[in-house]
Amino acid sequence: IVLAQSPDTLSLSPGERATLSCRASHNVNSNYLAWYQQKPGQAPRLLIFGASSRATGTPDRVSGSGSGADFTLTISRLEPEDFAVYYCQQYGSSPWTFGQGTKVEIK
Amino acid sequence: QVQLQESGPGLVKPSQTLSLTCSLSGVSIDTFGYYWNWVRQFPGKGLEWLGYIHHSGSTYYNPFFTTRVSISRDKSKNQFSLSLTSVTAADTAVYYCARTMTTVIKAFDYWGRGTLVTVSS
Repeated sequence: IVLAQSPDTLSLSPGERATLSCRASHNVNSNYLAWYQQKPGQAPRLLIFGASSRATGTPDRVSGSGSGADFTLTISRLEPEDFAVYYCQQYGSSPWTFGQGTKVEIK
Repeated sequence: QVQLQESGPGLVKPSQTLSLTCSLSGVSIDTFGYYWNWVRQFPGKGLEWLGYIHHSGSTYYNPFFTTRVSISRDKSKNQFSLSLTSVTAADTAVYYCARTMTTVIKAFDYWGRGTLVTVSS
């Protein structure tokens, strides 16, 4: 399954809302879709699993939604620590695959 | 506290075998309910899953790599290892070990810090 994320880069100011898209080439089985945040020099960090369940430590301002082949990560009000690269990943079909990433940068 | 730590050579020559080890702390490799994975990230930042070893010792690989990749474990050392044969420059990447659960979360919930492997003569 190929995952296409959009946009490639999102330029926003702190306090603004961020909406990131992840579209799959085929339906993701059981909505097994995860979102990760990655900062420079660090490993990815799990934010969302099962399309909409927050992982431990994920703040309430971060939410996941969607089903089938169309998924969204929303950050309601950007905090300084939210500026990073975000990846979606499907684990419903082998091989497990990742999107190419969306960079959220400070405007 | 669960921790994973990758180790191995940072430079491998083309056509040779890349070998890395992931050392676990805070969890036993044969604890029921986990897959132990290898994931790599290319310099252009794309991520690719290579395969896993189950807590039972069974393995499963990305179908694109079945002829080149092998994952094994050493229970006495609480480690698992990656072997990737016939490497080329295209295998240059940061290699991560990561955990997934077989139920509930199922995504990569713990990661090592990663180790850069460069393939060059």
